[in-house]
Amino acid sequence: RKEVEQDPGPFNVPEGATVAFNCTYSNSASQSFFWYRQDCRKEPKLLMSVYSSGNEDGRFTAQLNRASQYISLLIRDSKLSDSATYLCVVSHSGNTGKLIFGQGTTLQVKP
Amino acid sequence: EAGVVQSPRYKIIEKKQPVAFWCNPISGHNTLYWYRQNLGQGPELLIRYENEEAVDDSQLPKDRFSAERLKGVDSTLKIQPAELGDSAVYLCASSVGQTNEKLFFGSGTQLSVL
Repeated sequence: RKEVEQDPGPFNVPEGATVAFNCTYSNSASQSFFWYRQDCRKEPKLLMSVYSSGNEDGRFTAQLNRASQYISLLIRDSKLSDSATYLCVVSHSGNTGKLIFGQGTTLQVKP
Repeated sequence: EAGVVQSPRYKIIEKKQPVAFWCNPISGHNTLYWYRQNLGQGPELLIRYENEEAVDDSQLPKDRFSAERLKGVDSTLKIQPAELGDSAVYLCASSVGQTNEKLFFGSGTQLSVL
């Protein structure tokens, strides 16, 4: 079993739709959580950190459920430019530990 | 400000040949990472440096892979000899201090081993 698991998709949604991705992690000692975005043939870039209380950045909302060991990313009012692969990332040892990347979930937003 | 710079962008070699990748991190970032990303997968850590010290190389296949970061700035990752299964994108990343709060990735080197 992989340490960080994501549904690879692709998720095909129309513009304006709301879409949610989930990610599960196996190590209960994990302490830091992130979502990275990777455009096709480009490098990953940090989208947002995930805090225990949940956090929002514009149209993007991240949630953490420690009891069930999953992280979610919600995108509201999808734009064509949101089309990308979204990587769930977990660290075992807080902000100095190794980052474990999930395989990514691909989102395609259609006109 | 310049980002993480990697070269070459693409490399095609025959199996059993050596290959080297170069990375220059963002100025002032003392932590440097080498990741490998296979098609359809997330990046996997090969080695992490804090300054010139390799603090995590547990995932580096040491029989054929080597890395160095002399003077704690730029870094080189080498494969010798390359195998077909080494075909992947090799990503370099850097971060400020020892924190992993935000990694900045280079554009990567796409390696094809024929």
